[in-house]
Amino acid sequence: NAGVTQTPKFRVLKTGQSMTLLCAQDMNHEYMYWYRQDPGMGLRLIHYSVGEGTTAKGEVPDGYNVSRLKKQNFLLGLESAAPSQTSVYFCASSLAGHNEKLFFGSGTQLSVL
Amino acid sequence: GQNIDQPTEMTATEGAIVQINCTYQTSGFNGLFWYQQHAGEAPTFLSYNVLDGLEEKGRFSSFLSRSKGYSYLLLKELQMKDSASYLCAEGGGYQKVTFGTGTKLQVIP
Repeated sequence: NAGVTQTPKFRVLKTGQSMTLLCAQDMNHEYMYWYRQDPGMGLRLIHYSVGEGTTAKGEVPDGYNVSRLKKQNFLLGLESAAPSQTSVYFCASSLAGHNEKLFFGSGTQLSVL
Repeated sequence: GQNIDQPTEMTATEGAIVQINCTYQTSGFNGLFWYQQHAGEAPTFLSYNVLDGLEEKGRFSSFLSRSKGYSYLLLKELQMKDSASYLCAEGGGYQKVTFGTGTKLQVIP
């Protein structure tokens, strides 16, 4: 049972490049989330999904897109990377919503030059 | 997290007890979480309080006072491996969990 798996673990992009972060969970969780973590800012919600085929905006959605075509996968896309998107990205999942604990992936360190 | 306040850093001695406080905005409250995050790793769940009082889990306990918008995490018999950041998170409205900026705890010999 792998839990929540994120790929890649590290990535360096040039400004304007695009990339997709992949998150996969094998716990049959309905809810999935993408957070970014910056020093002094805490974890901030980018986008989330309450089930297959659904997505919604979180606190800081600008510059990101997501897709949840399959229940176990949640993809985060950056269409045109900016230096402000340099951050550590965490995917998480939960069985249900706000009163359920989150299971986090190991994180992706992204640097945009 | 703009609605959650917790100390930035704390230092405590191995074997001692430390209390990490957290205050949050009470409107739309739906539970209070504590997560542990070691440097370079993902957060892991420690506790969840939705009713007032103290919840004990081994060396870790978490307290909640809903009327005061206040919680604390109590760590007993501190070990070096407890050096980590401790994140307070408020379950708010629908699908919304707001994280504090975390308290970095350093345990010294």
